[in-house]
Amino acid sequence: GDSVTQMEGPVTLSEEACLTINCTYTATGYPSLFWYVQYPGEGLQLLLKATKADDKGSNKGFEATYRKETTSFHLEKGSVQVSDSAVYFCALSSGQAGTALIFGKGTTLSVSS
Amino acid sequence: SAVISQKPSRDICQRGTSLTIQCQVDSQVTMMFWYRQQPGQSLTLIATANQGSEATYESGFVIDKFPISRPNLTFSTLTVSNMSPEDSSIYLCSVVSGVNGYTFGSGTRLTVV
Repeated sequence: GDSVTQMEGPVTLSEEACLTINCTYTATGYPSLFWYVQYPGEGLQLLLKATKADDKGSNKGFEATYRKETTSFHLEKGSVQVSDSAVYFCALSSGQAGTALIFGKGTTLSVSS
Repeated sequence: SAVISQKPSRDICQRGTSLTIQCQVDSQVTMMFWYRQQPGQSLTLIATANQGSEATYESGFVIDKFPISRPNLTFSTLTVSNMSPEDSSIYLCSVVSGVNGYTFGSGTRLTVV
């Protein structure tokens, strides 16, 4: 079945460093891809998404490009801040009506000043 | 996008008892999904609830342990039955809605003692 493989953390960075969190997927159809963020003690929030190949999702300085040829959706940010410290989840929707999201294991990011 | 009200936000329960979690959506939705997030882990789909029919459970989850009610298109409950400490998790409901695709409840943090 469909699945998401996500780089495991924790990832520890200094403020203003570059971030890449790798995410690859396996899917039989044409999935939509998502990044969700979970800040400490808070609920799950959509960070960005892409619905077709070569789409780039972006939000709050984060970007991810839907690469069909490499089945990847890596999350990137050029300069992280302490406030970016959170758990990041890559997720996939198969695109079929009424199907749930499938999540990767999550990557914990810790940014220090 | 839909807005979900999930209750309770947290609870501490004795082993052997049951807890019912409620999700109220501000619009009619066909499918509602229930997830479990064990400590430090990703989100695992428990079941998909469709109004007017029995919920569909994922491998490893059974109706006797996690009975689900879906009486109408805006409401669902998940019961965690005969609880043990291993059931300590965050439980979330989710629906498909709006341009962002998926909305999540704020979660129920359950601790079983």
